Amino acid sequence: NAGVTQTPKFQVLKTGQSMTLQCAQDMNHEYMSWYRQDPGMGLRLIHYSVGAGITDQGEVPNGYNVSRSTTEDFPLRLLSAAPSQTSVYFCASSRVSYNSPLHFGNGTRLTVT
Amino acid sequence: DQQVKQNSPSLSVQEGRISILNCDYTNSMFDYFLWYKKYPAEGPTFLISISSIKDKNEDGRFTVFLNKSAKHLSLHIVPSQPGDSAVYFCAASLTGTASKLTFGTGTRLQVTL
Repeated sequence: NAGVTQTPKFQVLKTGQSMTLQCAQDMNHEYMSWYRQDPGMGLRLIHYSVGAGITDQGEVPNGYNVSRSTTEDFPLRLLSAAPSQTSVYFCASSRVSYNSPLHFGNGTRLTVT
Repeated sequence: DQQVKQNSPSLSVQEGRISILNCDYTNSMFDYFLWYKKYPAEGPTFLISISSIKDKNEDGRFTVFLNKSAKHLSLHIVPSQPGDSAVYFCAASLTGTASKLTFGTGTRLQVTL
């Protein structure tokens, strides 16, 4: 059981480039989300989805796009990378039920130069 | 505005002793609280949770206490083991959204021999 899989593990981008961070889960979870972790800031919610075709913004959505065409996949797109987007990105999933904890992937470390 | 705060960035405890990690929150609408543990280069993993209708929840060596009037929760680890050395994140959610979490900034616990 793979759980939540994120690719790539590491990525270096130049300012202005675009890229997609991939996230897939095999637990048939309805809920998926993206967080970023920055030093001294904890984890902050970027976007989330409660099911295929449904997405919504979190605390820090600017500069990111998401879509949810299948239950399993929830890619995060950086439209035009900026140095402020240098961070570690975590994808997480869970059942849509009260008290169902999030399961996290191992993260993508992104550096924008 | 940080709604969930962990004011101690780090904590060092001897093996076998009790570790106490603290967390404060400002939003009185939070009704479900969780602790996550994170090792380097891995995603956070769920540790223990507590509903606002309880003041204590225990799971083996881990106990979480909730003081709603003080908007404070704590995680007790007894006895502490070297494998407990990690970053611990406190998280909180609103009614019906146990997946949409607001995280604290984390406390790095080091358990020494």
